[in-house]
Amino acid sequence: DQQVKQNSPSLSVQEGRISILNCDYTNSMFDYFLWYKKYPAEGPTFLISISSIKDKNEDGRFTVFLNKSAKHLSLHIVPSQPGDSAVYFCAATGDNFNKFYFGSGTKLNVKP
Amino acid sequence: DAGITQSPRYKITETGRQVTLMCHQTWSHSYMFWYRQDLGHGLRLIYYSAAADITDKGEVPDGYVVSRSKTENFPLTLESATRSQTSVYFCASSEDRGATDTQYFGPGTRLTVL
Repeated sequence: DQQVKQNSPSLSVQEGRISILNCDYTNSMFDYFLWYKKYPAEGPTFLISISSIKDKNEDGRFTVFLNKSAKHLSLHIVPSQPGDSAVYFCAATGDNFNKFYFGSGTKLNVKP
Repeated sequence: DAGITQSPRYKITETGRQVTLMCHQTWSHSYMFWYRQDLGHGLRLIYYSAAADITDKGEVPDGYVVSRSKTENFPLTLESATRSQTSVYFCASSEDRGATDTQYFGPGTRLTVL
């Protein structure tokens, strides 16, 4: 049973607009969350993370929001650029874990 | 070159054959991981290693064997390949704690089992 879920397999957004990617998790013991970005034929690369002691973390155009009560996090990209077109994975872990649990990914397409 | 590399990048094999996928990192990271990526499943952990000679199972270890005699290398062996092991395999590494440290991924190996 997947403990981290990304229910939208794809998302299409116009350049300059906001992209919102969502992720849900089931294990309340998770306390650290990450987003990875993956281009075709490459390995995933780390994008941004958030600890459960925060509800928001911002890095340039990328902001991650965490709603612990809803077990939900989201990645906001503003403004979206064509170079952001990629597959985005969310992942969760914590001190009680020696590993990450990944979602199935959301393919973002930013149209020029 | 510094970083994490995987070889081969592409491999076609037949059912029942033994296949070894190689992973090499130059950072001396303690932790190394093997994932497989399949449509609808995202990345699933096969095995991981906290240090040389220390390995442990992930979510989907059946049919795979790993070893880590040197810190920088973490080969993954499919002892008798099956069609269900057709996938893209990613190796990753991270510093000390593993759990909350950023993982750095290799470029992947696309394996096809006929």
